[in-house]
Amino acid sequence: NAGVTQTPKFQVLKTGQSMTLQCAQDMNHEYMSWYRQDPGMGLRLIHYSVGAGITDQGEVPNGYNVSRSTTEDFPLRLLSAAPSQTSVYFCASRGADWNTEAFFGQGTRLTVV
Amino acid sequence: GENVEQHPSTLSVQEGDSAVIKCTYSDSASNYFPWYKQELGKRPQLIIDIRSNVGEKKDQRIAVTLNKTAKHFSLHITETQPEDSAVYFCAAMGGSYIPTFGRGTSLIVHP
Repeated sequence: NAGVTQTPKFQVLKTGQSMTLQCAQDMNHEYMSWYRQDPGMGLRLIHYSVGAGITDQGEVPNGYNVSRSTTEDFPLRLLSAAPSQTSVYFCASRGADWNTEAFFGQGTRLTVV
Repeated sequence: GENVEQHPSTLSVQEGDSAVIKCTYSDSASNYFPWYKQELGKRPQLIIDIRSNVGEKKDQRIAVTLNKTAKHFSLHITETQPEDSAVYFCAAMGGSYIPTFGRGTSLIVHP
């Protein structure tokens, strides 16, 4: 049972480039979300999804797009990378019950130069 | 939306001492409060959680308390050990089904 799998683990981009961070879960979880982690700022919600075909914005959505075509996959797209998007990105998923934990992927460390 | 405040941002203790991390939340509809531990370079992982119908929960050296009236909850670690050194996050979850996290507490346990 792989849980939540993120790829890649590390990435360096040039300003203006675009890329997609992949996230897949094999637990049949309804809810998936993307967070960015910056020093002293905790885990800030970028986008989330409550099921296939349904997405919504979190606290810091600008510069990012998401889609949820299947229950398993929830990719995060950077449209035109900026140095301010240098961060560690975590994908998380959880089941539909109100009192279940969220499981995190291993994270993607992104550097934009 | 939900807002979670967490204090302190850094906590330094001697091995064997107790550590307490406190969080407050704003949405009275929140009913599930997990705590995550993140070791350096690793993903956050759940260490304990508490539901709104419970005031306290204990698991070996860690315990959580919840005061729904005051909208605050706390993590207590007793007999701290160097391997407890990590960043700890509190979170609150309610109608949105997506957890809102505090900013984290860096716990340093000196041997």
